[in-house]
Order: sequence, then structure tokens, then C-alpha cells
Amino acid sequence: KQEVTQIPAALSVPEGENLVLNCSFTDSAIYNLQWFRQDPGKGLTSLLLIQSSQREQTSGRLNASLDKSSGRSTLYIAASQPGDSATYLCAPLGGSNYKLTFGKGTLLTVNP
Amino acid sequence: NAGVTQTPKFQVLKTGQSMTLQCAQDMNHNSMYWYRQDPGMGLRLIYYSASEGTTDKGEVPNGYNVSRLNKREFSLRLESAAPSQTSVYFCAIQAAGNEKLFFGSGTQLSVL
Repeated sequence: KQEVTQIPAALSVPEGENLVLNCSFTDSAIYNLQWFRQDPGKGLTSLLLIQSSQREQTSGRLNASLDKSSGRSTLYIAASQPGDSATYLCAPLGGSNYKLTFGKGTLLTVNP
Repeated sequence: NAGVTQTPKFQVLKTGQSMTLQCAQDMNHNSMYWYRQDPGMGLRLIYYSASEGTTDKGEVPNGYNVSRLNKREFSLRLESAAPSQTSVYFCAIQAAGNEKLFFGSGTQLSVL
């Protein structure tokens, strides 16, 4: 059974800092991995999707990398802003069951 | 969360009551999902429908039933609500199995 761990569980940084969120998963047989953002009381928004054949994906100030063999993914946020404050979740798509398994998320607070 | 509409947004039930959560999409996607989100547990898949006319159990299906009424609509029914079903419920859609998920804004359900 796929297990997904996100470290740290919570992170507080001053505005402008570059930061890295980590995601590890136990079953490396995945099709892809998605990073989501969730604002309080809202649904999830997909930020980036990395296919298993890719090493990274970029969207604006966000860069996600994937090392499938080691079961790791990172989300890099450059020049953080208060509007980046949210919970970030990663979810690999299983290669055997074709289902997403979600991590519990990292709660990010960016202070002005 | 344009494209995925969930109703109601909030609901309070008494133990033993029944209710149906509705999900409708306007993106013409094939796959639809129901998740629940609980503190400390993350998101867990209840049921999914890979295409119109098909439904399958996810990780936590007990106490729930679903109907894929047509391509647009996927409903989740609680026949006899229990306090353990107090949660936030999310509907999600996906064009194909390895593409991005789009989430609704959620239904907050309390069972007393």
C-alpha cells in the first residue's frame, strides 16, 4: 500500500524567502505525481503534474522535481509571498491501482 | 473551483438520517471521484466512477452508496448517517486517469 509522507508538517517563513517542501512515497511504481494547494475552507487546486518520465515541471515561481527511483519529490517556491500561504499536498498516482494517494500536507505561512 | 459544483455546502444531520450529496461538472470529463478529508487523516477515496455507467469502491466505502446518473453528475448517498461520517466531502473530476484532478469546493457535514 502506498504511503506518502510530507515534511515538514508546518513551515513559517518571512516574505521573499525561497523554500522547499518535501514529499516521499514508498511505492516507486507511479504514473505521475501532482502537487496541490488548499486554502482554508476550500477545495484543492492542482499546481503541477509531473509524469513519471519527467524530472521536473515549472509554473511561474513554482518548480517541482521528481526522483521516482528514490521515492521523492520536492516543491520549490521562489520569492515567497503572503498569498502563497496555504496547505500544499502531494499525491502520486499508483502504477498498480491507478489511484491517487495523498500526503497529509505541509501548512505554509508566509509572513509579511 | 470552476467546473465542479457541489451541493449543499453545509449540512447537519442527526444519527440515522439519510442524505445525498450532489456533484455536477461542466468540463465533460470521464472520471469522477468522492473523497473525504479528516484532520490528521488526509484525503481518502470513498468511491469513484471511471466513466458513465461504472462505479467502484475506494479506500473507505462502508456506509456510502453512489450513483453516476449521467456523464455530468455523480452523487454520494448516506443511508443512515453516523457520527464517524462527520467530515468534509470533496468531489473531483479528471479527463483521463493520468491527468490533473479538479476539485469542487466541498461539503462540510456534521452528524450529531
